[in-house]
Amino acid sequence: QKEVEQDPGPLSVPEGAIVSLNCTYSNSAFQYFMWYRQYSRKGPELLMYTYSSGNKEDGRFTAQVDKSSKYISLFIRDSQPSDSATYLCAMRLGSASKIIFGSGTRLSIRP
Amino acid sequence: DVKVTQSSRYLVKRTGEKVFLECVQDMDHENMFWYRQDPGLGLRLIYFSYDVKMKEKGDIPEGYSVSREKKERFSLILESASTNQTSMYLCASSLTGGGTQHFGDGTRLSIL
Repeated sequence: QKEVEQDPGPLSVPEGAIVSLNCTYSNSAFQYFMWYRQYSRKGPELLMYTYSSGNKEDGRFTAQVDKSSKYISLFIRDSQPSDSATYLCAMRLGSASKIIFGSGTRLSIRP
Repeated sequence: DVKVTQSSRYLVKRTGEKVFLECVQDMDHENMFWYRQDPGLGLRLIYFSYDVKMKEKGDIPEGYSVSREKKERFSLILESASTNQTSMYLCASSLTGGGTQHFGDGTRLSIL
């Protein structure tokens, strides 16, 4: 079993829709949770960074962590074609430098 | 803004060749990482370095080595390239103490 599971998609939604991207994980010791966005032929860029459980909002993006269920989500409101990318969840233990990545979900927003 | 630069975007090599992938970061980060990214497998850590001349194996180090002679530069070496090393290679850097990782745009390596 992988430490971090993520549905690879592809996920295709119409412009303006609310998008929900999810990951599950097996190691309850993970404390820091991240979402990276990766455009085609580019490296991943950090989108959201949260510590422990709860919600964090940044513009149209909301990251949610439920440690009791070992489940994290990224919500995108009013989705735009420019949001079309692969989204990778990631997490790490405490202050350790190594990050464990999900395999990524490919998202396409139809105009 | 942190800048992580990988020397080549695309590279084509032959089996058995020794291949060097170079990465440079400009933010004085202590940690540097090499990943490979394959469809369905996500990012897999090959090696990382937490200081000059220091390195640790990641999850898939076989067939690879690394070199870090200067803080800003981290090199990945394929000792004898094989076709199963055809992949996208990503370099990243971060501050010590678990800062977030900043990535380069990757090198797409094909081994023929």
